[in-house]
Amino acid sequence: GAVVSQHPSRVICKSGTSVKIECRSLDFQATTMFWYRQFPKKSLMLMATSNEGSKATYEQGVEKDKFLINHASLTLSTLTVTSAHPEDSSFYICSARDAVGLNTEAFFGQGTRLTVV
Amino acid sequence: AQSVTQLDSQVPVFEEAPVELRCNYSSSVSVYLFWYVQYPNQGLQLLLKYLSGSTLVKGINGFEAEFNKSQTSFHLRKPSVHISDTAEYFCAVKNQGGKLIFGQGTELSVKP
Repeated sequence: GAVVSQHPSRVICKSGTSVKIECRSLDFQATTMFWYRQFPKKSLMLMATSNEGSKATYEQGVEKDKFLINHASLTLSTLTVTSAHPEDSSFYICSARDAVGLNTEAFFGQGTRLTVV
Repeated sequence: AQSVTQLDSQVPVFEEAPVELRCNYSSSVSVYLFWYVQYPNQGLQLLLKYLSGSTLVKGINGFEAEFNKSQTSFHLRKPSVHISDTAEYFCAVKNQGGKLIFGQGTELSVKP
């Protein structure tokens, strides 16, 4: 299957600083990327959907000014957690797919464990 | 709206025993169903998917699932589990907008 690389795998940052997480499709062009947040022992919560070259579409209740998403190229999307606080600590996962269509598979990155201290 | 319910949050089982992880969905339209596995501190890996055709779907690592439209279920099964199957398992349905809707997850714990 296709490979999606997420970086960093772990990050610790101080409260009030910003953190950028990268999601790259290594062997395909990702027309759409998804960002999820996962709390401990919980399911994945979709935060936003980004299409290359356009603004991300955020799910209800997700602050777009807090979680900045950029999808500037067909192989890279970034999630920036701005002015991070301890409650932003979580596991963030991206996924990417290379085409439109309900039977198109999305591939997942390895996830990023964010800890805000 | 589509939704997914995984009926068991935790399933403990002994090694080499069979296992079934239950998943029910609600949808008024055609469905695309998926099972993913997540190992600790990792992303999700696709085990298998049902898009159309045969209702019995075979996936990786010896897992299979059966799509049952009348019972709106997509249960995951394996005839004989290994210690290495210990992980979190997620059932998901893809909605009309192409988004994956995940169940709550089932923690499979295989004991020696």
